[in-house]
Amino acid sequence: SYELTQPPSVSVSPGQTARITCSGDALPQKYAYWYQQKSGQAPVLVIYEDNKRPSGIPERFSGSSSGTVATLTINGAQVEDEADYYCYSTDSSGDHRVFGPGTKVTVL
Amino acid sequence: QVQLQQWGAGLLEPSETLSLTCAVYGGSFSGYYWSWIRQPPGKGLEWIGEINHSGSTNYNPSLKSRVTISVDTSKNQFSLKLNSVTAADTAVYYCARETGTKAPFDQGVDVWGQGTTVTVSS
Repeated sequence: SYELTQPPSVSVSPGQTARITCSGDALPQKYAYWYQQKSGQAPVLVIYEDNKRPSGIPERFSGSSSGTVATLTINGAQVEDEADYYCYSTDSSGDHRVFGPGTKVTVL
Repeated sequence: QVQLQQWGAGLLEPSETLSLTCAVYGGSFSGYYWSWIRQPPGKGLEWIGEINHSGSTNYNPSLKSRVTISVDTSKNQFSLKLNSVTAADTAVYYCARETGTKAPFDQGVDVWGQGTTVTVSS
Protein backbone atom coordinates (compact mmCIF):
# COMPACT_ATOMS: atom_id res chain seq x y z
CA SER A 1 0.00 0.00 0.00
CA TYR A 2 1.00 3.60 -0.58
CA GLU A 3 2.99 5.40 2.11
CA LEU A 4 4.08 8.95 2.83
CA THR A 5 7.23 9.64 4.83
CA GLN A 6 7.79 12.52 7.26
CA PRO A 7 10.51 13.25 9.83
CA PRO A 8 9.32 12.45 13.36
CA SER A 9 10.26 15.83 14.78
CA VAL A 10 11.48 19.31 13.93
CA SER A 11 12.68 21.81 16.51
CA VAL A 12 13.24 25.54 15.97
CA SER A 13 13.63 28.68 18.04
CA PRO A 14 10.91 31.35 17.90
CA GLY A 15 11.27 33.45 14.77
CA GLN A 16 13.22 30.81 12.87
CA THR A 17 12.04 28.86 9.85
CA ALA A 18 10.68 25.36 10.25
CA ARG A 19 10.57 23.05 7.24
CA ILE A 20 8.72 19.74 7.22
CA THR A 21 9.10 17.35 4.32
CA CYS A 22 6.73 14.70 3.02
CA SER A 23 7.96 12.08 0.56
CA GLY A 24 5.79 9.90 -1.65
CA ASP A 25 6.11 8.27 -5.04
CA ALA A 26 2.83 9.70 -6.34
CA LEU A 27 3.49 13.29 -5.30
CA PRO A 28 4.67 14.33 -8.77
CA GLN A 29 1.10 13.62 -9.95
CA LYS A 30 -0.96 14.20 -6.80
CA TYR A 31 -1.45 17.17 -4.52
CA ALA A 32 -0.22 17.37 -0.95
CA TYR A 33 -2.39 18.70 1.84
CA TRP A 34 -1.07 19.72 5.25
CA TYR A 35 -2.87 19.63 8.61
CA GLN A 36 -1.99 21.10 11.97
CA GLN A 37 -3.20 19.25 15.05
CA LYS A 38 -2.83 20.59 18.55
CA SER A 39 -3.25 18.37 21.56
CA GLY A 40 -6.83 17.22 22.07
CA GLN A 41 -8.15 19.06 19.02
CA ALA A 42 -9.33 18.09 15.55
CA PRO A 43 -6.86 18.71 12.72
CA VAL A 44 -6.93 22.02 10.86
CA LEU A 45 -6.11 22.43 7.17
CA VAL A 46 -3.17 24.82 6.73
CA ILE A 47 -2.14 24.14 3.12
CA TYR A 48 -4.11 22.55 0.29
CA GLU A 49 -3.17 21.53 -3.24
CA ASP A 50 0.56 21.85 -2.54
CA ASN A 51 0.77 25.59 -1.97
CA LYS A 52 -2.63 27.20 -1.37
CA ARG A 53 -3.47 28.69 2.00
CA PRO A 54 -7.05 28.63 3.33
CA SER A 55 -8.53 31.85 4.58
CA GLY A 56 -7.62 32.52 8.18
CA ILE A 57 -4.28 30.71 8.04
CA PRO A 58 -1.34 33.04 8.77
CA GLU A 59 0.90 33.99 5.86
CA ARG A 60 3.90 32.45 7.62
CA PHE A 61 2.58 29.05 6.51
CA SER A 62 3.52 28.11 2.95
CA GLY A 63 3.82 24.97 0.89
CA SER A 64 5.72 23.71 -2.10
CA SER A 65 6.20 20.49 -3.99
CA SER A 66 8.97 19.27 -6.26
CA GLY A 67 9.21 15.76 -7.58
CA THR A 68 8.46 13.23 -4.88
CA VAL A 69 8.83 15.68 -1.99
CA ALA A 70 6.31 18.19 -0.67
CA THR A 71 7.41 20.74 1.93
CA LEU A 72 5.54 22.75 4.54
CA THR A 73 7.43 25.87 5.62
CA ILE A 74 6.68 28.00 8.67
CA ASN A 75 8.52 31.31 8.28
CA GLY A 76 9.09 32.98 11.62
CA ALA A 77 7.64 30.15 13.70
CA GLN A 78 5.71 31.20 16.78
CA VAL A 79 5.24 29.36 20.05
CA GLU A 80 1.59 28.82 19.12
CA ASP A 81 2.71 26.84 16.06
CA GLU A 82 3.82 23.97 18.28
CA ALA A 83 1.74 21.04 17.08
CA ASP A 84 1.76 17.83 15.11
CA TYR A 85 1.70 18.31 11.35
CA TYR A 86 0.43 15.70 8.92
CA CYS A 87 0.71 15.55 5.16
CA TYR A 88 -2.07 13.87 3.19
CA SER A 89 -2.29 12.76 -0.40
CA THR A 90 -3.73 10.25 -2.84
CA ASP A 91 -2.17 7.14 -4.32
CA SER A 92 -1.53 6.74 -8.04
CA SER A 93 -4.83 4.91 -8.58
CA GLY A 94 -6.75 7.95 -7.35
CA ASP A 95 -8.92 5.76 -5.12
CA HIS A 96 -7.08 5.78 -1.80
CA ARG A 97 -5.97 8.60 0.49
CA VAL A 98 -3.16 8.36 2.99
CA PHE A 99 -1.71 10.40 5.83
CA GLY A 100 1.94 10.72 6.58
CA PRO A 101 3.04 9.57 10.06
CA GLY A 102 3.15 13.12 11.36
CA THR A 103 5.89 15.52 12.46
CA LYS A 104 6.02 17.05 15.91
CA VAL A 105 7.11 20.67 15.69
CA THR A 106 8.63 22.20 18.81
CA VAL A 107 9.20 25.94 19.05
CA LEU A 108 11.38 26.92 22.02
CA GLN B 1 -20.68 27.46 6.43
CA VAL B 2 -20.81 23.69 6.43
CA GLN B 3 -20.71 21.88 9.78
CA LEU B 4 -20.43 18.18 10.51
CA GLN B 5 -22.01 16.67 13.59
CA GLN B 6 -21.28 13.06 14.46
CA TRP B 7 -22.55 10.58 17.02
CA GLY B 8 -22.46 6.92 17.95
CA ALA B 9 -21.68 4.43 20.68
CA GLY B 10 -18.51 5.20 22.59
CA LEU B 11 -17.91 1.90 24.37
CA LEU B 12 -17.87 -1.48 22.66
CA GLU B 13 -16.86 -5.01 23.57
CA PRO B 14 -14.54 -7.05 21.36
CA SER B 15 -16.26 -8.61 18.33
CA GLU B 16 -19.08 -6.03 18.32
CA THR B 17 -19.82 -3.66 15.46
CA LEU B 18 -18.83 0.00 15.64
CA SER B 19 -21.51 2.29 14.25
CA LEU B 20 -21.17 6.07 13.76
CA THR B 21 -23.24 8.61 11.86
CA CYS B 22 -22.34 12.08 10.61
CA ALA B 23 -24.83 14.78 9.63
CA VAL B 24 -23.98 17.61 7.25
CA TYR B 25 -25.45 21.04 7.96
CA GLY B 26 -25.28 24.33 6.11
CA GLY B 27 -23.86 23.27 2.80
CA SER B 28 -24.26 21.13 -0.27
CA PHE B 29 -24.22 17.38 0.26
CA SER B 30 -23.94 16.32 -3.35
CA GLY B 31 -20.78 17.04 -5.29
CA TYR B 32 -18.44 15.98 -2.50
CA TYR B 33 -16.91 12.86 -1.07
CA TRP B 34 -17.46 12.30 2.66
CA SER B 35 -14.89 10.40 4.62
CA TRP B 36 -14.09 8.72 7.92
CA ILE B 37 -10.70 9.07 9.58
CA ARG B 38 -9.49 7.72 12.90
CA GLN B 39 -6.68 8.36 15.36
CA PRO B 40 -5.66 5.81 18.01
CA PRO B 41 -4.50 7.26 21.32
CA GLY B 42 -1.06 8.81 20.93
CA LYS B 43 -0.81 7.82 17.27
CA GLY B 44 -1.27 9.35 13.85
CA LEU B 45 -4.27 9.81 11.57
CA GLU B 46 -5.58 6.94 9.45
CA TRP B 47 -7.94 7.31 6.50
CA ILE B 48 -10.71 4.71 6.71
CA GLY B 49 -12.71 5.39 3.57
CA GLU B 50 -15.08 7.70 1.73
CA ILE B 51 -18.44 7.88 -0.03
CA ASN B 52 -20.22 10.29 -2.36
CA HIS B 53 -23.91 11.15 -2.58
CA SER B 54 -24.44 8.43 -5.16
CA GLY B 55 -23.05 5.77 -2.82
CA SER B 56 -19.75 5.27 -4.61
CA THR B 57 -17.17 4.18 -2.03
CA ASN B 58 -13.42 3.82 -1.60
CA TYR B 59 -11.88 2.03 1.38
CA ASN B 60 -8.50 1.71 3.01
CA PRO B 61 -7.25 -1.69 1.81
CA SER B 62 -6.14 -2.60 5.33
CA LEU B 63 -9.70 -2.19 6.69
CA LYS B 64 -11.79 -2.99 3.63
CA SER B 65 -12.91 -6.43 4.80
CA ARG B 66 -14.51 -5.00 7.95
CA VAL B 67 -15.77 -1.57 6.85
CA THR B 68 -19.02 -0.39 5.33
CA ILE B 69 -19.73 3.28 4.64
CA SER B 70 -23.26 4.20 3.61
CA VAL B 71 -25.17 7.37 2.76
CA ASP B 72 -28.69 8.70 3.38
CA THR B 73 -29.18 11.62 1.02
CA SER B 74 -32.68 12.34 2.37
CA LYS B 75 -31.11 13.31 5.69
CA ASN B 76 -27.73 14.56 4.42
CA GLN B 77 -26.05 11.91 6.54
CA PHE B 78 -23.42 9.26 6.08
CA SER B 79 -22.47 6.38 8.34
CA LEU B 80 -19.60 4.09 9.25
CA LYS B 81 -19.82 0.48 10.33
CA LEU B 82 -16.75 -1.45 11.40
CA ASN B 83 -17.35 -5.03 12.39
CA SER B 84 -15.48 -7.47 14.60
CA VAL B 85 -13.78 -4.70 16.55
CA THR B 86 -10.78 -5.32 18.80
CA ALA B 87 -8.80 -3.15 21.18
CA ALA B 88 -6.74 -2.01 18.19
CA ASP B 89 -9.83 -0.17 16.91
CA THR B 90 -9.88 2.08 19.97
CA ALA B 91 -9.52 5.59 18.58
CA VAL B 92 -11.04 8.99 18.03
CA TYR B 93 -13.12 8.74 14.86
CA TYR B 94 -13.66 11.81 12.68
CA CYS B 95 -16.07 12.39 9.85
CA ALA B 96 -14.88 14.83 7.21
CA ARG B 97 -15.55 16.44 3.83
CA GLU B 98 -13.20 15.96 0.90
CA THR B 99 -12.79 18.42 -1.92
CA GLY B 100 -10.32 19.58 -4.56
CA THR B 101 -10.02 21.00 -8.06
CA LYS B 102 -9.20 17.52 -9.35
CA ALA B 103 -11.72 15.68 -7.18
CA PRO B 104 -12.48 12.84 -6.87
CA PHE B 105 -9.15 11.45 -8.09
CA ASP B 106 -7.09 13.94 -6.12
CA GLN B 107 -8.70 15.58 -3.08
CA GLY B 108 -8.19 16.43 0.54
CA VAL B 109 -10.14 17.11 3.70
CA ASP B 110 -11.25 20.67 4.28
CA VAL B 111 -13.91 20.27 6.97
CA TRP B 112 -13.79 18.01 10.04
CA GLY B 113 -16.35 16.78 12.51
CA GLN B 114 -15.74 17.16 16.22
CA GLY B 115 -14.57 13.57 16.68
CA THR B 116 -16.03 10.68 18.64
CA THR B 117 -13.99 8.63 21.08
CA VAL B 118 -14.61 4.92 20.68
CA THR B 119 -13.18 2.49 23.21
CA VAL B 120 -13.15 -1.26 22.74
CA SER B 121 -12.81 -3.13 26.01
CA SER B 122 -14.19 -6.18 27.70
